[in-house]
Amino acid sequence: GAVVSQHPSWVICKSGTSVKIECRSLDFQATTMFWYRQFPKQSLMLMATSNEGSKATYEQGVEKDKFLINHASLTLSTLTVTSAHPEDSSFYICSARGFEGRGAGANVLTFGAGSRLTVL
Amino acid sequence: DAKTTQPNSMESNEEEPVHLPCNHSTISGTDYIHWYRQLPSQGPEYVIHGLTSNVNNRMASLAIAEDRKSSTLILHRATLRDAAVYYCILQLASGSARQLTFGSGTQLTVLP
Repeated sequence: GAVVSQHPSWVICKSGTSVKIECRSLDFQATTMFWYRQFPKQSLMLMATSNEGSKATYEQGVEKDKFLINHASLTLSTLTVTSAHPEDSSFYICSARGFEGRGAGANVLTFGAGSRLTVL
Repeated sequence: DAKTTQPNSMESNEEEPVHLPCNHSTISGTDYIHWYRQLPSQGPEYVIHGLTSNVNNRMASLAIAEDRKSSTLILHRATLRDAAVYYCILQLASGSARQLTFGSGTQLTVLP
């Protein structure tokens, strides 16, 4: 089945530094990947849609200069949290549509295991 | 996107069936009904999806009302590993990849 891998699974950094999170589709190509953020005890919120070879589309209220997304290949999208602050501490999850058969029209998404960011 | 309504929490005993309800009275004709679950500290996991007919797979069954305004996810024998937040999501059929919009879901607790 389709597998999405995220790295790192957890990271701790100092305030003001930048952190890069990688999202890879291991056994399929993904022209589109989605980045979500989840705060404790809350549901997932879509941050942005990452498109291979073009600029990402950000949801309202998400700062594109703070959350840099690069989707340079069909199997890799990266999210860089620039000048991270404690309020950026969260669980970041990426996803992609991996099923091109039965689930294609229904838009079944495969999710990574998530990356937990803690900013001190 | 059409909204879904789920109970905030449910409890089940281990090895008993669990029926997780979802109401989606504003569903459109091209909306698929998706179920995902999220175990603690993990990303969501696909469970099952359907359009009009009931569906079965190795993880669960999905029963869809005839008018499609509600559905029920059925776990036939709950195990402790099934404890998770279960999300019922309507997803518009699309040829290109489309994001999922998550609600608050149902927290399932499985009692030993």
